Amino acid sequence: SQTIHQWPATLVQPVGSPLSLECTVEGTSNPNLYWYRQAAGRGLQLLFYSVGIGQISSEVPQNLSASRPQDRQFILSSKKLLLSDSGFYLCAWSLTGAYGYTFGSGTRLTVV
Amino acid sequence: KQEVTQIPAALSVPEGENLVLNCSFTDSAIYNLQWFRQDPGKGLTSLLLIQSSQREQTSGRLNASLDKSSGRSTLYIAASQPGDSATYLCAVRQTNAGKSTFGDGTTLTVKP
Repeated sequence: SQTIHQWPATLVQPVGSPLSLECTVEGTSNPNLYWYRQAAGRGLQLLFYSVGIGQISSEVPQNLSASRPQDRQFILSSKKLLLSDSGFYLCAWSLTGAYGYTFGSGTRLTVV
Repeated sequence: KQEVTQIPAALSVPEGENLVLNCSFTDSAIYNLQWFRQDPGKGLTSLLLIQSSQREQTSGRLNASLDKSSGRSTLYIAASQPGDSATYLCAVRQTNAGKSTFGDGTTLTVKP
C-alpha cells in the first residue's frame, strides 16, 4: 500500500533562518507531488507541484522554492524565512488521470 | 480560473441529525471532485472521490453527489455523531496533472 511521510510535525524558526521540509512517498512510482499551505481557518493554497524528477511548477511567487531530487521525494525550502511564511504546510501525492489526492500529516511552521 | 465555494462556513447540529454540506464550483470541466475531512491540526483524510462521469458515491453514513451542469456537489451525512465534528473540504481536480482547487471548508460541530 502507498504511504506518505512528512516531517517535521512542528517547527519554530527565527526570521531570516533557512527552511527545509521533506516529504517522501512509498509504494508507488512516478507520482505527482504537491506542496500546499493552509492559513488558519482557510482552504489550501497550492504552492508547487511536480510531475517528475526535476520538474517543478510554481503557482505563487514567494519566498519559497521546491525541489524533487528523487522520484518519490519532494522538498520545500527557503533561504531566509519571513514572518508571513508561518502556516500549516501539507504535502500530497496523486497519479496522472482521474485519481484523488493523499495527504501527509502536515508541518506546523511558526516563524518568530 | 476555477473557484470553489463552501457554504456555510460553520454548522452546528444536534447528534442524530441528518445534514448536507455544500460545495459549488464555477468551471464544470472537471476530472473529479474529492471530499476530505480535517481534524484540528491534522492533515486531510479523503472521504469520497467522485469521477466526472459519476453522479454519486457512498461510504457508510456518507453520500456525495455531483451535478456538473449546475456546478454543485453535496456531502450528505446520516445520523450525525459527535465524532463527525471536523472541517470538511471539497477539492475540484481540473487537469490531467492533478492540480486541484480547494474550498475553504465547512466546520461541523455535532453536539451530544
